[in-house]
Amino acid sequence: QLQLQESGPGLVRPSETLSLTCTVSGGSISNTDFYWGWIRQPPGKGLEWIGSIFYSGNSYYNPSLKSRVTISADTPKNQFSLKLSSVTAADTAIYFCARSSGYSGGREYFDYWGQGTLVTVSS
Amino acid sequence: EIVLTQSPATLSLSPGERATLSCRASQSVSIYLGWYRQKPGQAPRLLIYDASNRATGTPARFSGSGSGTDFTLTISSLEPEDFAVYYCQQRSNWPLTFGGGTRVEIK
Repeated sequence: QLQLQESGPGLVRPSETLSLTCTVSGGSISNTDFYWGWIRQPPGKGLEWIGSIFYSGNSYYNPSLKSRVTISADTPKNQFSLKLSSVTAADTAIYFCARSSGYSGGREYFDYWGQGTLVTVSS
Repeated sequence: EIVLTQSPATLSLSPGERATLSCRASQSVSIYLGWYRQKPGQAPRLLIYDASNRATGTPARFSGSGSGTDFTLTISSLEPEDFAVYYCQQRSNWPLTFGGGTRVEIK
């Protein structure tokens, strides 16, 4: 059974960089059938797609965040990571990692999700 | 960016009743629209993909319809676990976008 688990600091200072890792078990991120993505959800609000990556490094980002986001893949560790720079209070959210089909180059739905991790931006 | 507008924001119904949720796209997404259910404290779960296809494990009481800009998720008879928030998502264009959600609450 595929499982995804987010990890990283729960508190980040304003203007600093948010860094999260998603560890995948029960499957390989090198599987060419899938993309791996990050989605976030401010407390009590809706979902926002951040970006998605293929194991080879091909990635797509939400234009609203693109200047601040980097998503990378570490195939030996079976992990992928999110870095979001210059954070503000508006970046406070639950961050989810998830899997999508690679059929349409990653432009797909998310069928497996991590449980999510709350990241608060505050001094 | 394709904007998805869900209505109503909140739907108050009783167990056993039929629920009809709407998602409208700012431009055509063909059939490339999916639906998720999110229970409190949990990640979303994919229910319907490409407008009308049930994802693996989705109960038959869930059905989706629509194409172009107007889509509907119907729950034929609400079970206790269906009182949750529902989101639509389009995969027609980058960036992937989600609707604002419809909360189905117990009346």
